[in-house]
Amino acid sequence: EPEVTQTPSHQVTQMGQEVILRCVPISNHLYFYWYRQILGQKVEFLVSFYNNEISEKSEIFDDQFSVERPDGSNFTLKIRSTKLEDSAMYFCASSDLSSYNEQFFGPGTRLTVL
Amino acid sequence: AQKVTQAQTEISVVEKEDVTLDCVYETRDTTYYLFWYKQPPSGELVFLIRRNSFDEQNEISGRYSWNFQKSTSSFNFTITASQVVDSAVYFCALNPRTSYDKVIFGPGTSLSVIP
Repeated sequence: EPEVTQTPSHQVTQMGQEVILRCVPISNHLYFYWYRQILGQKVEFLVSFYNNEISEKSEIFDDQFSVERPDGSNFTLKIRSTKLEDSAMYFCASSDLSSYNEQFFGPGTRLTVL
Repeated sequence: AQKVTQAQTEISVVEKEDVTLDCVYETRDTTYYLFWYKQPPSGELVFLIRRNSFDEQNEISGRYSWNFQKSTSSFNFTITASQVVDSAVYFCALNPRTSYDKVIFGPGTSLSVIP
């Protein structure tokens, strides 16, 4: 069964460093998403991406964040200058054209900023 | 406003007891989808069910059942004969028609099943 994959599973970084979280969506999907879950809190929408551009973003998704689809398979989230409060689990999701409300989530990347 | 409320923050039950997790949602959209996800201690999100706003039939899947009532904007989840493996955080979520891009999650209910 096709699934969304994410790498790395856990990333530790120093405050101020740049990180790139990687996702490989399901191959025929066209809509891509990032969500964030701070430890012990709910999952929050960050951004959606379609046709090589951002279609919607939340107030959390400020200028330090960016997304990219660098090739036909990867979808990345870059955090330019990490802050302590960026420590969270980051989930990637994807959906297809026929049922784009049904988002398939990856296993998540746990980001720890020291 | 689009919102999901899960009033129960934490629930503890003894194994084999039945437990119901409450979910109340808010949306002005007439078309929307509702979901339940399970998040075990390992952290991943496990999809359990999707229900669209036009389908109010209750659903049963093994020990799991869901009660969708539009009149009260509720989508409750019942686990029958709970097991220790059911211990997890359960999230109810809403995907409204006017914002197909995002899934709005509730705060989650942490369920502990005690052997």
